[in-house]
Amino acid sequence: EPEVTQTPSHQVTQMGQEVILRCVPISNHLYFYWYRQILGQKVEFLVSFYNNEISEKSEIFDDQFSVERPDGSNFTLKIRSTKLEDSAMYFCASRPWAGKNYEQYFGPGTRLTVT
Amino acid sequence: AQSVSQHNHHVILSEAASLELGCNYSYGGTVNLFWYVQYPGQHLQLLLKYFSGDPLVKGIKGFEAEFIKSKFSFNLRKPSVQWSDTAEYFCAVNPSLNYGGSQGNLIFGKGTKLSVKP
Repeated sequence: EPEVTQTPSHQVTQMGQEVILRCVPISNHLYFYWYRQILGQKVEFLVSFYNNEISEKSEIFDDQFSVERPDGSNFTLKIRSTKLEDSAMYFCASRPWAGKNYEQYFGPGTRLTVT
Repeated sequence: AQSVSQHNHHVILSEAASLELGCNYSYGGTVNLFWYVQYPGQHLQLLLKYFSGDPLVKGIKGFEAEFIKSKFSFNLRKPSVQWSDTAEYFCAVNPSLNYGGSQGNLIFGKGTKLSVKP
């Protein structure tokens, strides 16, 4: 069964550094998402992406964040200058079609630790 | 703002006990409802979903959930839990696209950790 994959599984970085989290969505899917989960808190929506552009973003997704689909298979989340509070589990998700009934398929997550 | 409440933070049960996890949401229009499960060290997996029709939905692994519109609830149930059900369970909501909903972003509850004692 096709799966969403994410790399790396764990990323440690110093405050102020740039990080890129990578996701490979399921190949025929059209919508892509990033969520994050700070330890002990709920999963929060960051951004959705469709047709090569951001379709929606949350308040969390400020100018420090960007997303890209550089080559038709990868979907990346970049944090330009990481802060301690960016430490979290980041989940990528994708869904197959634009109809109103859908489900999202989640990747295993990347644990980002900012020191 | 739309929100999802899961009232139980941690539930501890013995094997064969019955399970009910509460989920309430705050949104007045049509919603799509989901329960996801996260086993230790694994990713979020869909247990079941409700879009329309029969408010009692059956999912994988013997789980079911009932949508009660008047109570804004979508509680998860299982008649007899197993040790392998130990996991964290997340309720999630998405307002229907036909009612001004977004392009699918899910609003999650805080999750309920279920521990099943063998």
